[in-house]
Amino acid sequence: ELKVEQNPLFLSMQEGKNYTIYCNYSTTSDRLYWYRQDPGKSLESLFVLLSNGAVKQEGRLMASLDTKARLSTLHITAAVHDLSATYFCAVGGMYGGSQGNLIFGKGTKLSVKP
Amino acid sequence: EAGVAQSPRYKIIEKRQSVAFWCNPISGHATLYWYQQILGQGPKLLIQFQNNGVVDDSQLPKDRFSAERLKGVDSTLKIQPAKLEDSAVYLCASSHPGQPFEQYFGPGTRLTVT
Repeated sequence: ELKVEQNPLFLSMQEGKNYTIYCNYSTTSDRLYWYRQDPGKSLESLFVLLSNGAVKQEGRLMASLDTKARLSTLHITAAVHDLSATYFCAVGGMYGGSQGNLIFGKGTKLSVKP
Repeated sequence: EAGVAQSPRYKIIEKRQSVAFWCNPISGHATLYWYQQILGQGPKLLIQFQNNGVVDDSQLPKDRFSAERLKGVDSTLKIQPAKLEDSAVYLCASSHPGQPFEQYFGPGTRLTVT
């Protein structure tokens, strides 16, 4: 059974600091997603990582994928309050034989304080 | 471009009652997904449609849940009878044939079963 584990589950940061969220998954996959969810809102796609060594950056967020280690990271640079949200990683692709069968982690609730 | 539409946004019912949710995907998106997100967890795929055919319903509790997408556009998800543990946000997502790895999520329907 494919499992996706994120850590930490809760993260309280100060503005201006850097931090990394980790996403480990248990079986082979060729697709890794990062989503953002604000309270009471739906999921917003941040990154789709499709190959080993893929790195994508958008603003203060940078995501990377190591398929050999089955690990993805979401790095936050110089955090600002607007980044406060819950971040989910999800794994898809080869598992389950269905391109839509995304398995989500439990999410990391990020709170950025002044 | 209009996003994925869902209704209602909120629903409160008593256990053993029935409820239905509606989803209208982004125009041209052949693939439609229904997810269940229980509070504090990541979304879990319930069912995936490709046009009006079911691709994956392995995690759909078929004794009480049903879904249809008769004309390959709108979809409805029904629960009958509802249980307390069905309280969750039900998210609909869609993806375009040319970009199967990008899922766009609707705002969700928050269901409370009392």
